[in-house]
Amino acid sequence: AQKVTQAQTEISVVEKEDVTLDCVYETRDTTYYLFWYKQPPSGELVFLIRRNSFDEQNEISGRYSWNFQKSTSSFNFTITASQVVDSAVYFCALSESSTSGTYKYIFGTGTRLKVLA
Amino acid sequence: EAGVAQSPRYKIIEKRQSVAFWCNPISGHATLYWYQQILGQGPKLLIQFQNNGVVDDSQLPKDRFSAERLKGVDSTLKIQPAKLEDSAVYLCASSLSRGHEQYFGPGTRLTVT
Repeated sequence: AQKVTQAQTEISVVEKEDVTLDCVYETRDTTYYLFWYKQPPSGELVFLIRRNSFDEQNEISGRYSWNFQKSTSSFNFTITASQVVDSAVYFCALSESSTSGTYKYIFGTGTRLKVLA
Repeated sequence: EAGVAQSPRYKIIEKRQSVAFWCNPISGHATLYWYQQILGQGPKLLIQFQNNGVVDDSQLPKDRFSAERLKGVDSTLKIQPAKLEDSAVYLCASSLSRGHEQYFGPGTRLTVT
């Protein structure tokens, strides 16, 4: 069965600090996708990144970077030089194919990030 | 490009009443999803459509929830009769196809009293 664990419920940092949000997943599939979404106080979920299980290259996009390690089933997200606008709830999600050919999606419980000025 | 549209944004009903939510996905997106997000939790997938066919409704409480996607575009989600525990935000999302990133609408906040 698939599972996504975000053990950090809430993190508070001071502006300009770096912060890493952890995500650990479980799946029996060899083909799957991992995602990160941001949910700001306005409530609308915003897509940040999608990774397929065959691509373990780390990715950097501006102040955001992602570290995918299949050996530890982790897909961690780092924000460098955090800003107040980064304050939000961040969700990690997993999608794997099922026997019926559909894709099952499951979200973690989210990590609330508070960046203090 | 227009995003995912949802209406209404807010709804307050009494238990045992019925309610319907509407979603218009991004043009060209074949896959449409309905999620339920209870306060403090992650989104929970209720139903997934591929074009106008249901591909996964394993977590949809079918005794009270129903959904349809006519002509493979717009979709409606209905609850009848509503229970107190249905109070949540109902999110609609769409993606180009299965396994792709999803784009979410603003959600409908439902309060059942």
